[in-house]
Amino acid sequence: DQQVKQNSPSLSVQEGRISILNCDYTNSMFDYFLWYKKYPAEGPTFLISISSIKDKNEDGRFTVFLNKSAKHLSLHIVPSQPGDSAVYFCAASAVQGAQKLVFGQGTRLTINP
Amino acid sequence: NAGVTQTPKFRVLKTGQSMTLLCAQDMNHEYMYWYRQDPGMGLRLIHYSVGEGTTAKGEVPDGYNVSRLKKQNFLLGLESAAPSQTSVYFCASSYSGAGEQYFGPGTRLTVT
Repeated sequence: DQQVKQNSPSLSVQEGRISILNCDYTNSMFDYFLWYKKYPAEGPTFLISISSIKDKNEDGRFTVFLNKSAKHLSLHIVPSQPGDSAVYFCAASAVQGAQKLVFGQGTRLTINP
Repeated sequence: NAGVTQTPKFRVLKTGQSMTLLCAQDMNHEYMYWYRQDPGMGLRLIHYSVGEGTTAKGEVPDGYNVSRLKKQNFLLGLESAAPSQTSVYFCASSYSGAGEQYFGPGTRLTVT
């Protein structure tokens, strides 16, 4: 049972435009959400996070939106740059003790010049 | 700071062989984790540790054992490798259970 789902395996966006990556979850106990970015042959790197007490968190070009009633979160990147081309994973946890992250399948984002 | 390092980077095993993957972190983090990544599956937690001398099972622990004898090291062992354990293995660490996790570069393991 996939508790965190990223239904788009890939996304292609033109440079300078907005990239929107989506993520859905099923477990209502999740209360902390993260986005990680992964380049080939490297480990994931943390991008941005959001707690369930918020509905938006912004960090530079990256904004994460959380809709708890719909159990949906999204990552907005604006403007998109070629260096943003990577695989993006969303992850969720119920913050209790060790942060056991549950990851989505990932979305490969390609930014076209 | 090297961050999180993993040894080896690549390994090919025959079915039934054993091996140990080593993860080391120099950030004085309490928490350490082992994940595996398979195509179309994202990352799945194998085992984790909340401090030196402790270990706990994650989502997919069968066929693996772990040890955390020193705070900075977290070892993942495969006693009798199976083709289903072909995967990319990532180690991660975090300062607390509520903080972001820092990942190593991964170990690509193939079991034939």
